[in-house]
This record gives sequence, structure tokens and C-alpha cells, in this order.
Amino acid sequence: EPEVTQTPSHQVTQMGQEVILRCVPISNHLYFYWYRQILGQKVEFLVSFYNNEISEKSEIFDDQFSVERPDGSNFTLKIRSTKLEDSAMYFCASSDPYEQYFGPGTRLTVT
Amino acid sequence: AQKITQTQPGMFVQEKEAVTLDCTYDTSDQSYGLFWYKQPSSGEMIFLIYQGSYDEQNATEGRYSLNFQKARKSANLVISASQLGDSAMYFCAMRGTFTGTASKLTFGTGTRLQVTL
Repeated sequence: EPEVTQTPSHQVTQMGQEVILRCVPISNHLYFYWYRQILGQKVEFLVSFYNNEISEKSEIFDDQFSVERPDGSNFTLKIRSTKLEDSAMYFCASSDPYEQYFGPGTRLTVT
Repeated sequence: AQKITQTQPGMFVQEKEAVTLDCTYDTSDQSYGLFWYKQPSSGEMIFLIYQGSYDEQNATEGRYSLNFQKARKSANLVISASQLGDSAMYFCAMRGTFTGTASKLTFGTGTRLQVTL
């Protein structure tokens, strides 16, 4: 069964460092998303992506964040200068078009 | 804007019994979709079931069914014959009208289900 994959599963970084979270969506899906979940809280939308451009972004997704689909399979989230409050589980999801399937998540810890 | 409300922070159910997890929603969109996800302690988000607002029949997937009551704006998840492996956090979510571009999900705060022997 096709699935969304994410790497790494856990990333520890120091405040101010750049991180890149990687995702491989389901191959025939056209719509891509990033969400985050701070420990113990609900899942929050960050950004959606379709046709090689951002469709929508939340107020969380400020200038420190960027997304890219560098090739036909990968979808990345970059955080330029991490803050302590960026510590969370980051989920990638893909859909075609309605049912969104989530990856296993990357747990980002900023120290 | 969409809003999802899950009023049960925690639920207990005995193995083999059925359980209903509540979800109400609010939206001004005429067309929308409702989702349920399971999040075990390992952290991944597992898609369970989807209901479109214009679907005439309630969605079912194995032991999961979605009790969709449009007039009451509720989309409760029913799990039949509970198993110990059903113990997890359950999130209700919705998307607004699909306009051809990617449609974000808005999540509720979740219900933690504990299945007991």
C-alpha cells in the first residue's frame, strides 16, 4: 500500500540553526501539506502546495519557513533559523484530492 | 473558517463493546469533508474514514463508521467491537470547499480512547 514517508524521524538542532525536513508523498498525489503538532496539542496547518506553488499558508508559516518540491518525488520544509518554540512533531501529508494521508512525522527538538 | 469541537477529552470502553466519539463542526461552506484520524502513542496519524458533505450514505470502513448528521453538524465516529489496539488519540478534522487547489484540514483537540479488558 502506498504511503507517505518522512526523514529524519527525529532531529535535534540548536536554536538559530537551519533544518530541512524531507517528505516523499504518495506518487500519484498532486496536493501536499505540512502540519505541526506541539506536544499534547492539536494538529495545526502550516502550508499547502499544489502545481509547484503555495496554495495557502497559516500565520505560523512566516518568513522563517519555506517549502520546495526540488524534484518529482521530494517535498521539503525548511526552517531557516530555528527557535525553541519550533519544537514539535512535523507531519507531511498528501492527497488526490480529498483524503489526506499523513507521513509518520519528524520530531524536531530545538535546544 | 472551519471549527471542530470534540468535547470528550477521554473515553473508556470495554473490549468487544462499541464506542461513539463525538465531533461537531461549524462552517459556512456548502461543500466540505469530514475526517477521522487515529494517533497511537507512537505518534503517527492514521487516516480512518472520510465523509463528504454531499454523500448520501454514512461512510463505513471495516469496524469504523461515521454517523453524519448534517442538520446537527455532527460527525461522530463509531468503533464497533473495540480491540485493545484501538487505544489511541482520535482526531476529527474537516476541510472546506474544494476549489481545485490544496484544501487544508482543521483539527479538533482530540479524544483519548482507552480500551479495557
